[in-house]
Amino acid sequence: EVQLVESGGGLVKPGGSLRLSCEASGFTFYNYNMNWVRQAPGKGLEWVSFISSSSSYIYYADSLKGRFTISRDNARNSLYLQMNSLRVEDTAVYYCASWGSISDFWGQGTLVTVSS
Amino acid sequence: QAVVTQEPSLTVSPGGTVTLTCSSNTGGVTSGHYPFWFQQKPGQAPRTLIYDASNTHSWTPARFSGSLVGGKAALTLSGAQPEDEAEYYCLLSYSGVRVFGGGTKLTVL
Repeated sequence: EVQLVESGGGLVKPGGSLRLSCEASGFTFYNYNMNWVRQAPGKGLEWVSFISSSSSYIYYADSLKGRFTISRDNARNSLYLQMNSLRVEDTAVYYCASWGSISDFWGQGTLVTVSS
Repeated sequence: QAVVTQEPSLTVSPGGTVTLTCSSNTGGVTSGHYPFWFQQKPGQAPRTLIYDASNTHSWTPARFSGSLVGGKAALTLSGAQPEDEAEYYCLLSYSGVRVFGGGTKLTVL
């Protein structure tokens, strides 16, 4: 069974940092490109970042302005998102996901709340 | 950053047909944007219905189809069912940078 389990969310003050993790199981993680997607409460989906299977290609949403860093460790079947200089508007559920012609894998999400 | 636009809401009668569209402020949507369509129901993670504009997955109900029409990506639902009531999002790729549309809330009524 394919599973993506996010962790690392929580309450953080504006300007603070968090590192999200996503542990994959049930599929050959190193073969799949991965994404982070977020969804603010009651709002739509927002794509955050992409990393290719071998980390050769990395892309970010323009709105993040260099505050977030995506990475992966294929030996640990894990995806990460380092989030710095957090703002109130970064409050959202963060999903790790992989989609394409042969995949449609989503985690259950982890909630990040940025508030003073 | 590019802006992707969808209808905020649409209503379809049970058994009816409806088309959702997805446009880009940078110009016409093409196969080079690799359009995806996702369905999200309340409290659930999204799931892919259509990839690369018109390709379906094994789990995509046959009543859903995707196309490129008039410079837009389109998702057509033929024979709407009550369980199709959901939020639908398109996703376009701009040289690797992905952008979701704002979503279309589809009501089956």
